Order: sequence, then structure tokens, then C-alpha cells
Amino acid sequence: AQKVTQTQTSISVMEKTTVTMDCVYETQDSSYFLFWYKQTASGEIVFLIRQDSYKKENATVGHYSLNFQKPKSSIGLIITATQIEDSAVYFCAMREGAGGADRLTFGKGTQLIIQP
Amino acid sequence: GPKVLQIPSHQIIDMGQMVTLNCDPVSNHLYFYWYKQILGQQMEFLVNFYNGKVMEKSKLFKDQFSVERPDGSYFTLKIQPTALEDSAVYFCASSLGWSSQNTLYFGAGTRLSVL
Repeated sequence: AQKVTQTQTSISVMEKTTVTMDCVYETQDSSYFLFWYKQTASGEIVFLIRQDSYKKENATVGHYSLNFQKPKSSIGLIITATQIEDSAVYFCAMREGAGGADRLTFGKGTQLIIQP
Repeated sequence: GPKVLQIPSHQIIDMGQMVTLNCDPVSNHLYFYWYKQILGQQMEFLVNFYNGKVMEKSKLFKDQFSVERPDGSYFTLKIQPTALEDSAVYFCASSLGWSSQNTLYFGAGTRLSVL
């Protein structure tokens, strides 16, 4: 069965620094897709970035990038030059397989607090 | 980015009553989903819906749950009758195609409180 684990419940960093949030996953599939979302204080859930398992290059979008370590089943999210508005809860999620069950398995989330 | 709207944001009802949660998905999207999040826990998949049919459902999608999207209007989740354990935040999502190839966009959730 697939499982996604985020061990950091809360992280606090100073504005303009770099932060890394951890996520490890379990899957039996050779093909899978990994996602990061953030949930703002208003409850809005925003898609940030994705990594397809067959791609070796780490995905990068704006000031978000991923540290994909396939042998360790790990997909860390890196945010550079953090801003106050990056304060949110960040969720890691996985979808197994290109076909079959079309569902995401989520982690419990990491609360990120950016301090001025 | 594309917006998924959920109405209402909070619903309080008595156990045993019926409740309908409404979702207005992104206009050109074809795949629709409901996820459930109990306080302090991760979001969990309930059901996905395409072309007027439920494609998959999880064990959390009890017999008292149903979904529909009549004539391209709201995508709804109906619970009849409700139980105390149905208290949670319910998130609707939509995508253009399967999530392996397309991004899932989520609404802000409806907090359901069953008393």
C-alpha cells in the first residue's frame, strides 16, 4: 500500500532564507508521480510543483525546487529566498501508476512559519 | 490560476439529516474528486467522477454518500443520513484529465460539523 510521510510538523525560519521540507514515500509501483501543495491560512490549496518518477532531473518552478532521491524514496521541497507569504501548510502527495487508480495519497503536512 | 469554488465554507447539521456539499469545478475540466480531511490528519481520497459516473471510490465512501453533476452544474457530494464521524473538511478537486498527466486543482474546502 502506498504511504506518504512528512515527519516535520512545524518549521520556523527567517525571511529571505532557504528552507527544506522532507517527505518520504512508499510504493510498489515503478512509475509514480509526486506533488507538493500548500494550504494558505484561508484554506486555499495551491499546487506548487511535481516530479515524475521516470525523470532524473529535479523539477524547479520559480523559487520552488525538488530534491528527488529515488533510492531513498525521498522528495524534499526546497524554497529559496522565502517570503512572509510563504507561510502556510505544505503537503506532499503521491499518485501511483500512469493508469489505474486515479487518487492522490497525502502526507499530514508541514507548517512553515516565515518570520520577518 | 484556475479556481475551484466550494459552497458553503462551513455547514452545521444535526446527526441523521441530509447534507449536500457543492463544488463549482474549473470550467473545462472533466475529472472531479472529493477528499476528506479529519482535523489534524491528512487528506484522504473519497471518490472520483468522470463522464457522469463514479470511476473509483475508497472505503471511506460509505453507502450513505453519493455524488453527481447534473447537466454540467455543481459537482455535489450528498450524505444521507449523516453520522457524527462525518464531521471533517471536504475538499473538491478537478482536473482536465487523469492526475498522472494533469494538475489537480482544489477548492478551499467545506467544513462539515455534525452535531
